[in-house]
Amino acid sequence: DADVTQTPRNRITKTGKRIMLECSQTKGHDRMYWYRQDPGLGLRLIYYSFDVKDINKGEISDGYSVSRQAQAKFSLSLESAIPNQTALYFCATSDLYSQETQYFGPGTRLLVL
Amino acid sequence: GIQVEQSPPDLILQEGANSTLRCNFSDSVNNLQWFHQNPWGQLINLFYIPSGTKQNGRLSATTVATERYSLLYISSSQTTDSGVYFCAVSSGGSYIPTFGRGTSLIVHP
Repeated sequence: DADVTQTPRNRITKTGKRIMLECSQTKGHDRMYWYRQDPGLGLRLIYYSFDVKDINKGEISDGYSVSRQAQAKFSLSLESAIPNQTALYFCATSDLYSQETQYFGPGTRLLVL
Repeated sequence: GIQVEQSPPDLILQEGANSTLRCNFSDSVNNLQWFHQNPWGQLINLFYIPSGTKQNGRLSATTVATERYSLLYISSSQTTDSGVYFCAVSSGGSYIPTFGRGTSLIVHP
């Protein structure tokens, strides 16, 4: 089984709808991250969490919120989706004992109409 | 924040050819990683290499931290090497990575 899983893998939604993307991990890592990828722009950090009680904004947090429900679960919400949030979203994990090597989930393709 | 530039942005090779991908960064780093994103979108960590040289099969990487660059070498390329290669670095005490825009590699049979 995959160490980092994301659900759903694909999602089509309409402008103004609230949606949630979920991430779970079995690696036992403390640190979790949400990124978005747009063509030609690489990966940009949305939010990150170093433990259950720690939430931090990344480079592009506007329009997004997160919840760290447990060490193993980190959810990303779009409160009111807009078309320019159409992108590929990745969850990742790391910890100090793995030299902060990042392990990525398979990604969620989101299309906002 | 730290700036990361990757070159070339695009690369097309025939199977069997060798290639060098470059990552330049604007500040001293405490973490540097190379990733491969395959054509299906999956991101795989290739190397953790804030300094020095590492090899894994046909791939090797060298980081010269004092000169602020890292190189990824691919030898005897195969079609399965196709995809996008990203460099990600972090500096200071945060270990929060900043990604470059990637090098898109296509290997033709």
